[in-house]
Amino acid sequence: DIVMTQSPDSLAVSLGERATINCKSSQSVLYSSNNKDYLAWFQQRAGQPPKLLISGASTRESGVPDRFSGSGSGTDFTLTISSLQAEDVAVYYCQQYYSTPYSFGQGTKLEIK
Amino acid sequence: QLVESGGGLVQPGGSLRLSCAASAFTFNIYAMSWVRQAPGKGLEWVSAISGSGGRTYYADSVKGRFTISRDNSKNTLYLQMNSLRVEDTAVFYCATRPPKYWGQGTLVTVSS
Repeated sequence: DIVMTQSPDSLAVSLGERATINCKSSQSVLYSSNNKDYLAWFQQRAGQPPKLLISGASTRESGVPDRFSGSGSGTDFTLTISSLQAEDVAVYYCQQYYSTPYSFGQGTKLEIK
Repeated sequence: QLVESGGGLVQPGGSLRLSCAASAFTFNIYAMSWVRQAPGKGLEWVSAISGSGGRTYYADSVKGRFTISRDNSKNTLYLQMNSLRVEDTAVFYCATRPPKYWGQGTLVTVSS
């Protein structure tokens, strides 16, 4: 089974500053036949279902602000929020959908400093 | 585009059947998953099924108790949950793979 580990567990960033969340998988999630990483990032605001931000490690979903970006490949991935806004307060999860069980990271709680 | 139903309160040892109705996308080309979230906890993948329904997968925590299925003629995904335990209490979400579409969730409470 692939284990997903996020860091840090929580993060406090000032408005307008950069926030960076890391996700590491215990095995590569790069599918060699199409050279795509099967890695997604979700945002979950309090009381809401998860919202997909990024799939394929770096492809932003339609309607997601461009201050959100994803990077990395293989086993190491990063979600970056370039300029934190108040509405970005949430818990962020990474998920690998390369092989079952499609495991999630433990979540990173992002707050305003 | 994904709407779950069937949640509710059930006693330990009881059963429930969740449904997930899909619309506005081509349901049968997507593998589907169930994901749950216990109160105050993180996301846990539960089960998945291929687009045709021919292959199914389960988390160890539900293997032998839960059964995933789909009816592509009705654009609907199911999760039959038997021998429910208190620790199965969670909001259950259905989602596509890749996880482009997610439902709003349905709450399952297992309590006496």
